[in-house]
This record gives sequence, structure tokens and C-alpha cells, in this order.
Amino acid sequence: AQTVTQSQPEMSVQEAETVTLSCTYDTSESDYYLFWYKQPPSRQMILVIRQEAYKQQNATENRFSVNFQKAAKSFSLKISDSQLGDAAMYFCAYSYGGATNKLIFGTGTLLAVQP
Amino acid sequence: AAGVIQSPRHLIKEKRETATLKCYPIPRHDTVYWYQQGPGQDPQFLISFYEKMQSDKGSIPDRFSAQQFSDYHSELNMSSLELGDSALYFCASSRTSGVTDTQYFGPGTRLTVL
Repeated sequence: AQTVTQSQPEMSVQEAETVTLSCTYDTSESDYYLFWYKQPPSRQMILVIRQEAYKQQNATENRFSVNFQKAAKSFSLKISDSQLGDAAMYFCAYSYGGATNKLIFGTGTLLAVQP
Repeated sequence: AAGVIQSPRHLIKEKRETATLKCYPIPRHDTVYWYQQGPGQDPQFLISFYEKMQSDKGSIPDRFSAQQFSDYHSELNMSSLELGDSALYFCASSRTSGVTDTQYFGPGTRLTVL
């Protein structure tokens, strides 16, 4: 069974600094998809970034980038120039795709941004 | 851009009552997913529908049922409610085009069972 592990329950970063959130996963599949979702205090689930396993190039979305290490089954999120609005719970998620497209989430990392 | 709509946003029920949650996917999205997020927990997959047919089922209690209608909206019906059903229920939608597409989440329905 696929599992997603986030080993950092809480992280803190100073405004304008860079922070990296860790995520590891376990799967026997070769094609799959990885996501980072952000959940601010409003509890809305917001997509941050997506990575296809068949792509070697790491995904980037503005200040957000990932370090995807397929062999190590690692998928970390780097937030550059952190802003107060980045404070939220961040969930790493895995999807196999196809008919079974459900998301399997990690337990989340609560990110605090200090002014 | 249009987003996923969920109604109601908040719902308070008594034990053993019934609740119905509604989800309206993003236009042209053909797949709907339901997730349950308990307090301090990550979202757990309940059930999904593709083109009005159930496509996958997760840890959904037998007391719960769901369906997707011809206009692609979906309803989650919950009967014999228990205190443990208190949670945030998300609906997400995607456009399945032969490859995994990204799921976009609605704002959630917060269900409180007293």
C-alpha cells in the first residue's frame, strides 16, 4: 500500500527567508503524481505545486519549488522569500492515477512565519 | 475562475439524524471526490465518481452513500449520524483526460454532530 510520510510536524521560518518541508513516500508504482497542498486557517485546501513522476525536471511555481528524488522516494517543498501569508498547514499527497486517482495525504507540516 | 461549490458550509445535527452534503464541481470537470478531515488529521478519501459511476471507494462507512447526477453534481448522504462523524467534508473535482489531472477542492462542509 502506498504511504506518505511527513516527519516534521511543525516548522518555523523568518519572513523573507527560505524553508524546506520534507516528504517521503512509498510505492511500487513507476508512474504516479505528487502534490503539495496548503491549508491555511480558513481550512481551504489549496494546490501549491504538482510533480509527475515521469518528469525528471523539478516543478516550480513562483516562490515554490520541489526537489523530487525518485530513487530515494523523496519530494521536498522549498519556499523562497517566505511571506506571512505562507503560514499554513502543508500536506504532501500522492496519487497513482487512472481509475484509482484518490489522493493519499501525509500528516502535514504546520509552518509558522515569523515577522 | 469558477471553483468547486459545496453546500451547506456548516451543518449541525443531532445523533442518529441524517445529513446531505452537496457538491457542484468546476464546469467541465467529470470526476468528483469526497474526503473527510477529522480534527487535527489529514484528509481521508471516502469515495469518487467518474461520469456518474462510482470509480473508487475508500473508508466510507456503510451508513454513508453518495451519487453523482446527470449535471455532474454529487451528494453525500449520511444516516444514523454519530459523534465521530463530526468533521470537515471536502469535495474535490478534476477533469480526467486519460491521465491524472489535478484535484481542486471546495471550501468544505463543517459537520457537527451533537
